[in-house]
Amino acid sequence: KNQVEQSPQSLIILEGKNCTLQCNYTVSPFSNLRWYKQDTGRGPVSLTIMTFSENTKSNGRYTATLDADTKQSSLHITASQLSDSASYICVVSGGLGGGADGLTFGKGTHLIIQP
Amino acid sequence: NAGVTQTPKFQVLKTGQSMTLQCAQDMNHEYMSWYRQDPGMGLRLIHYSVGAGITDQGEVPNGYNVSRSTTEDFPLRLLSAAPSQTSVYFCASGMMVNTEAFFGQGTRLTVV
Repeated sequence: KNQVEQSPQSLIILEGKNCTLQCNYTVSPFSNLRWYKQDTGRGPVSLTIMTFSENTKSNGRYTATLDADTKQSSLHITASQLSDSASYICVVSGGLGGGADGLTFGKGTHLIIQP
Repeated sequence: NAGVTQTPKFQVLKTGQSMTLQCAQDMNHEYMSWYRQDPGMGLRLIHYSVGAGITDQGEVPNGYNVSRSTTEDFPLRLLSAAPSQTSVYFCASGMMVNTEAFFGQGTRLTVV
């Protein structure tokens, strides 16, 4: 069964610290992997999208990595800010191997930044 | 550039009532979809469309209908609302299903 597992479920860190969120997937075939940020009460917003050939992609203080061989991805947040408090969702696009439309969603990591 | 617009933002329905959640995008995207988001469940696909006149069922389609008469609009209809349909609903669009998806701001629906 195609799955996307994210860890940890929730994380609390102090402002200014770094953190890394994990995403493991079993979706096959693989098209791309995306990370979204969802603020409370808002829709998800895209942070990065990576294809099979991309190992690292950055968006400001957010850096995503992808190891397509081990089917693992991580999202690293540098020098966290209070505005980083949100849920982070990993989504894998796998054509017919994914969900009904080829997308398999993780349940997200809830990140809280404390002052 | 409005992106993906959902209306209404909040709605309270009585059991058995019907209503339509509206979704419009101005990016000329072929792919559009509806999700519901419940605590601890993540986003679950209700229905999706890969172009005008083409729709298909997702993971949790029961109790919902969709149509896609234009590229821009993808309304979601609740036929007879039930308390189990209390949720936050998100519409998304993208050039194609395997490209970046843009989400609306959501509709918070409560069925009493």
